[in-house]
Amino acid sequence: NAGVTQTPKFQVLKTGQSMTLQCAQDMNHEYMSWYRQDPGMGLRLIHYSVGAGITDQGEVPNGYNVSRSTTEDFPLRLLSAAPSQTSVYFCASTGSYSYEQYFGPGTRLTVT
Amino acid sequence: GIQVEQSPPDLILQEGANSTLRCNFSDSVNNLQWFHQNPWGQLINLFYIPSGTKQNGRLSATTVATERYSLLYISSSQTTDSGVYFCAVDQNTGFQKLVFGTGTRLLVSP
Repeated sequence: NAGVTQTPKFQVLKTGQSMTLQCAQDMNHEYMSWYRQDPGMGLRLIHYSVGAGITDQGEVPNGYNVSRSTTEDFPLRLLSAAPSQTSVYFCASTGSYSYEQYFGPGTRLTVT
Repeated sequence: GIQVEQSPPDLILQEGANSTLRCNFSDSVNNLQWFHQNPWGQLINLFYIPSGTKQNGRLSATTVATERYSLLYISSSQTTDSGVYFCAVDQNTGFQKLVFGTGTRLLVSP
């Protein structure tokens, strides 16, 4: 099992550009989440999904879109990048019968 | 919303020493997890422990749900224990919308 994978590892964007952060898991987990981590802070939930076709907002959803067309994939879209979105982004997944969250390696995004 | 406070914010240890990290939360929870973020940024799940005590090797954790705190014990610390330790909680049943504390940064020197 590869677990939770994320691409790219690093990305630099200019203000106003759009991009998609990819996340995939091969553990057949129903639940997937996106978090951002800013310096000196814990993680904050952006969006989450409880299954294919079902998504909802977390604590800091503005400026981000998600979709879940398959169980395995949960991409995060930045619609129009802003410097405030400079952060490290983590994707996580959880099985239906387990409460433990498993995290991907993260994507470090810089918006100039 | 629920507040999660971790202490101490920073901790420096000599290799071989023991330590206790604390997590206080402001309301009852259905889910509490401890994570270790290594110096390369990878987050590893250590414990799912909404109540009671668990042990895994040199690490153990205790959550006293009625008093709204959890403790993570690290015994005989090693340099590989360095990193940031996060406590995260959730009040919901079903899908967990974890709320993270700001972490304890641990440095273990040889």
